[in-house]
Amino acid sequence: AQSVTQPDIHITVSEGASLELRCNYSYGATPYLFWYVQSPGQGLQLLLKYFSGDTLVQGIKGFEAEFKRSQSSFNLRKPSVHWSDAAEYFCAVGPSGGYQKVTFGTGTKLQVIP
Amino acid sequence: DVKVTQSSRYLVKRTGEKVFLECVQDMDHENMFWYRQDPGLGLRLIYFSYDVKMKEKGDIPEGYSVSREKKERFSLILESASTNQTSMYLCASNSGGRGRNTGELFFGEGSRLTVL
Repeated sequence: AQSVTQPDIHITVSEGASLELRCNYSYGATPYLFWYVQSPGQGLQLLLKYFSGDTLVQGIKGFEAEFKRSQSSFNLRKPSVHWSDAAEYFCAVGPSGGYQKVTFGTGTKLQVIP
Repeated sequence: DVKVTQSSRYLVKRTGEKVFLECVQDMDHENMFWYRQDPGLGLRLIYFSYDVKMKEKGDIPEGYSVSREKKERFSLILESASTNQTSMYLCASNSGGRGRNTGELFFGEGSRLTVL
């Protein structure tokens, strides 16, 4: 069965500092991998996705993520965090079994301090 | 832009009541999903549908049912609400149909249900 682990429940960074959010996955084949962001009181929005090809993918809002098969990881990075980046971030893996099932991690809540 | 609309942002219901959560998408997507979101548990899939009148159980279907009579509409039903169903419910959709899905999901803003 596919699964996703986000080891950090909560992260605090200073505005302007760099950011890395960790994600590890378990999947039997080459996965589809995603990062979503959820602002307070909102639904989830796709930041970026990896299907195949270049292992470094660029997303919206200046985010990027790198797929590392050997480490089963798909960490999210941003070189300089803005206060508006404060939100909850979810890593996800899928699909599986011919159906449309995407499995989400438990999320990492990002706090940005001045 | 894809729009997924959940009819109720906030609901308060009593134990034992029947609850309907409605979701409509306007992009002719084949696939629709219901997730529940709880702190520390992330998103868990309740049910999904890849075609009209078709439904598949997700990871936590107990206590829930769904209905998809039209392509654009996917309803989540709590036959007899219980306090442990207090949660945020998120509807999502995407295109591709069975076997052709890209995985990317488009979410509604969520329905926060409180069961007293």
